[in-house]
Amino acid sequence: GDSVTQMEGPVTLSEEAFLTINCTYTATGYPSLFWYVQYPGEGLQLLLKATKADDKGSNKGFEATYRKETTSFHLEKGSVQVSDSAVYFCALPGTYKYIFGTGTRLKVLA
Amino acid sequence: DSGVTQTPKHLITATGQRVTLRCSPRSGDLSVYWYQQSLDQGLQFLIQYYNGEERAKGNILERFSAQQFPDLHSELNLSSLELGDSALYFCASTPGQGTEAFFGQGTRLTVV
Repeated sequence: GDSVTQMEGPVTLSEEAFLTINCTYTATGYPSLFWYVQYPGEGLQLLLKATKADDKGSNKGFEATYRKETTSFHLEKGSVQVSDSAVYFCALPGTYKYIFGTGTRLKVLA
Repeated sequence: DSGVTQTPKHLITATGQRVTLRCSPRSGDLSVYWYQQSLDQGLQFLIQYYNGEERAKGNILERFSAQQFPDLHSELNLSSLELGDSALYFCASTPGQGTEAFFGQGTRLTVV
């Protein structure tokens, strides 16, 4: 069945460091792919999405490219800020439910 | 603001009790999903409704039930509550198959 695997956290970085959170997927066909972010005490917010192979989603300085060859959708940001501290989820829409990775907690230190 | 409204935001109740969580989807969204998020942060799919009909069930306990009403709002009923049911419960709605899901702020349930 469809699945999403993302890197274990927590990830701790200094402000202005480069961020990569790995995500790979298994799916039938080529579904849209999503990154969600959950700030402390809040619900999940859509961070970015890509709807087909080679698409690049971007938002708030974050980027992720839909790679069909490597079945990956890694999240990157060139310079993280303290305000980026949150939990990040990679996800895809399965047949009857959304399939999420286990989440990666990011902590950015000033 | 995602447009999905969940009430209440916080709920504290005793073991053995029953509670009802409410979700109003975004205007026009026919699909509603319920997820449980435990302290170790993983998201567990509970159940999906589409236009009033149950579409899929996940890891939902028999003590839990849900429904979607004609006005498309949904309720999740949790009964005979146990300490282990303490979690965040999220509702999400979507405009169509394969599109992004929009999440509510969640209901934090604490069973004491």
